[in-house]
Amino acid sequence: AQSVTQLGSHVSVSEGALVLLRCNYSSSVPPYLFWYVQYPNQGLQLLLKYTTGATLVKGINGFEAEFKKSETSFHLTKPSAHMSDAAEYFCAVAAEGGYNKLIFGAGTRLAVHP
Amino acid sequence: SAVISQKPSRDICQRGTSLTIQCQVDSQVTMMFWYRQQPGQSLTLIATANQGSEATYESGFVIDKFPISRPNLTFSTLTVSNMSPEDSSIYLCSVAKGVDTEAFFGQGTRLTVV
Repeated sequence: AQSVTQLGSHVSVSEGALVLLRCNYSSSVPPYLFWYVQYPNQGLQLLLKYTTGATLVKGINGFEAEFKKSETSFHLTKPSAHMSDAAEYFCAVAAEGGYNKLIFGAGTRLAVHP
Repeated sequence: SAVISQKPSRDICQRGTSLTIQCQVDSQVTMMFWYRQQPGQSLTLIATANQGSEATYESGFVIDKFPISRPNLTFSTLTVSNMSPEDSSIYLCSVAKGVDTEAFFGQGTRLTVV
């Protein structure tokens, strides 16, 4: 069965610093992987996704993630944090047999301080 | 993309009562899902809403507690029945236009049971 583990429920960075949010997955089939962002009192917004092909995936707002099969990881990065990046970030894997039926990690709350 | 409207956006309900949440999409979609996000936790899939037939429930969720309707390709309802304080959560509707297309999320319904 599919599962997702996000290391670090809270991450705090300075504005302008590198953002690294960690995600490891377990899947019995080639995974479809996603990162979503949730701003306060809002729904989830898709940041980026990996299906097949290029393992480095670029998303919106300057975020990118790299699929590493050997490490079963899909970490999210951004070279320079902005105050507006403060939000909750969820890594997700598609359930077996479903592209958009998702299994979510516990989430990582990103704080950005001046 | 898809514009999803959920109603109500929030509600405070008495224990033992039921609440029906509506999810309206601005265009026809193939897939509709309902998720629950308990306080401080990640999203958990409740069920897949199937048009014209019974919903498909995930482990731990039953139809008597969470009856779901989907009369057409743009609308679904989730009812939370015989509520208890443990049902206090955000309930989110998710849709996808095709079987292999990305999922979009509504802004959620914040339910508090007192």
